[in-house]
Amino acid sequence: DAGITQSPRHKVTETGTPVTLRCHQTENHRYMYWYRQDPGHGLRLIHYSYGVKDTDKGEVSDGYSVSRSKTEDFLLTLESATSSQTSVYFCAISEPTGGYTFGSGTRLTVV
Amino acid sequence: AQSVTQPDIHITVSEGASLELRCNYSYGATPYLFWYVQSPGQGLQLLLKYFSGDTLVQGIKGFEAEFKRSQSSFNLRKPSVHWSDAAEYFCAVVPGNTGFQKLVFGTGTRLLVSP
Repeated sequence: DAGITQSPRHKVTETGTPVTLRCHQTENHRYMYWYRQDPGHGLRLIHYSYGVKDTDKGEVSDGYSVSRSKTEDFLLTLESATSSQTSVYFCAISEPTGGYTFGSGTRLTVV
Repeated sequence: AQSVTQPDIHITVSEGASLELRCNYSYGATPYLFWYVQSPGQGLQLLLKYFSGDTLVQGIKGFEAEFKRSQSSFNLRKPSVHWSDAAEYFCAVVPGNTGFQKLVFGTGTRLLVSP
């Protein structure tokens, strides 16, 4: 499996502050994804990337931005955190064989 | 609307009994199909996947799933459930007609295992 590391694992932040979550992969895969997980909703796609500096929106992208300046790193930024963005965030990569591998998640609480 | 449906939010099964978790999708083209499992506080682990070929797919931990095109279903089964199988299970789909590999999830089914 591809090595995926998310940081931080847990974060508590105040409403209105910017927050950046990091996803790092060690396998040089092209596609990377950010999902959020909320009870009753499963996982929903926020943004994805198909290469360095190539990103696009998913179904719940409002209030989020992403950047990918290197193949191995995919950053998710909450420009001004709101309580509705309290969630568990998962990064994922898709492999050439068609499989998807997920990171361990970041639990974000906005107070 | 195109979607992935897991109709059961919770299921309780006695240890040693058989299990079937349901998943239906509403995409026109034959999608790629996946089942993931998530233990509390953990990430997602792939149980099995279907891309093409034999419609009965074997996965890890004794799970299997059957793709039925006529019913747009990909149900997960296990003949004998163990207490360690208690977790949340997600069906996921890559729609066959998307231009990139977007994975769409169902809302999940939480499995409880009773003694």
